[in-house]
Amino acid sequence: EIVLTQSPVTLSLSPGERATLSCRASQSVGSHLAWYQQRPGQAPRLLIYDSSIRATGIPARVSGSGSGTDFTLTISNLEPDDFAVYYCQQLTGSFGQGTKLEIK
Amino acid sequence: DVQLVQSGVEVKKPGESLRISCKGSGYTFIDYWIGWVRQKPGKGLEWMGIIYPGDADTRYSPSFQSQVAISVDKSIATAYLHWSSLKASDTAMYYCARGLRSWYGFDIWGQGTVVTVSS
Repeated sequence: EIVLTQSPVTLSLSPGERATLSCRASQSVGSHLAWYQQRPGQAPRLLIYDSSIRATGIPARVSGSGSGTDFTLTISNLEPDDFAVYYCQQLTGSFGQGTKLEIK
Repeated sequence: DVQLVQSGVEVKKPGESLRISCKGSGYTFIDYWIGWVRQKPGKGLEWMGIIYPGDADTRYSPSFQSQVAISVDKSIATAYLHWSSLKASDTAMYYCARGLRSWYGFDIWGQGTVVTVSS
């Protein structure tokens, strides 16, 4: 079973800054990685799939990159609604443990 | 609108059985995998398993293989998650979601079903 490890566990930043979140797979998943945002009390929302393709309605300041075992989600010019928990997911289904993006 | 609508809150006792549902609308239901995801209070997302409504092909996470059953009735565009004997540790929010990229890349999510198991 493929294990995804996200880092950091918590990221403290201010509005307007750039967030860089990491997801590492225990074995290669090619480019088959997705990213989600989950706000409190809400279902997750798909941000990125196939490593770098933005889902419908996701702004260009959200970007994904990587292949094989190492992936990055970058969110530029942080807005108040961006402070949430972010999860990665790989092609056979399993999720990472999450990164909480909090306001500094 | 493309949407998945899940059944409502459930409160059950240990040992009881349960089936929760997920109804799709606004798209061709049989063309996309439907997955189930568990989220315990204050915890992360856990991929439980997935079903393809077109032919009922079903896959499970090893962690859930013998714990739940996933089924589908394509005639009414509805997927199900079933427990034969609930445990207190099954208390959680359960989401269904549509797989844009088969088993992952869930682009449409249900609103979630809260299941509480307590004696």
